[in-house]
Amino acid sequence: KNEVEQSPQNLTAQEGEFITINCSYSVGISALHWLQQHPGGGIVSLFMLSSGKKKHGRLIATINIQEKHSSLHITASHPRDSAVYICAVYHAGGTSYGKLTFGQGTILTVHP
Amino acid sequence: NAGVTQTPKFQVLKTGQSMTLQCAQDMNHNSMYWYRQDPGMGLRLIYYSASEGTTDKGEVPNGYNVSRLNKREFSLRLESAAPSQTSVYFCASRLYPDSNYGYTFGSGTRLTVV
Repeated sequence: KNEVEQSPQNLTAQEGEFITINCSYSVGISALHWLQQHPGGGIVSLFMLSSGKKKHGRLIATINIQEKHSSLHITASHPRDSAVYICAVYHAGGTSYGKLTFGQGTILTVHP
Repeated sequence: NAGVTQTPKFQVLKTGQSMTLQCAQDMNHNSMYWYRQDPGMGLRLIYYSASEGTTDKGEVPNGYNVSRLNKREFSLRLESAAPSQTSVYFCASRLYPDSNYGYTFGSGTRLTVV
C-alpha cells in the first residue's frame, strides 16, 4: 500500500462544477502539500498546510490530521483548471533529512 | 522572474553518454533538490543539498552525481546514461530544509535515453 493515496485517479467535469480531490496518507506528517502540474509543464505549489483549512481564490484545501486525510476543492471549475493535482506529505520517514512522499496524482479535465 | 530555472528543457542521449542537468534559483534558498518523475509513480528524490556545501543521497541516487556549485546552483550529472534513466527531472528549492517551508519547482527537463 502506498504511503500516499489519491482519489480519484482521473476526474472529468463540466465547467462550473464543484470538484473535490482526496488524499489519504498512512504516516505521521508535519506538513501536507498540494501541487499542480499542467501537461508538459512544471510543478506549481498550491498549498502547504499542517492543520485546518486554507483558501486561495477558487481553491480550498483542508486537512484532518486525526483521520490522516486532506481534500482539495475547486469551486466554479474552469477548463484552465485542467491539470494533474498532486498531494505530497512531509514526514521524518526514518531519515535525517525529512522526506516528501508524493501521491501518484489526479488527472483533472474540465470541459467547456 | 524569480524562481527555479532548469536547462535544458529537452534532451536525447545515447546509452553510455554523459550529461549534466543544470538548476539555478535566485530566491536565496538554502536547500535544493533533484527529483525524477516516471509514469504511474510519484516523484522520487534523487539527491538533495540541505545547504551550500552539503549534498546527500535521496531514494534513487544510483547512476547520478550532484554538485552544489554555490548557493544558487545545483547540478545533476549522469556519467553513463541508461534507458532506465529516461524520465522527467525536476529541480526544487526551499528556504530551509524543514516542514515550515514550501517548495518551488523548476519547469522540468525531459530526458530520453535511447
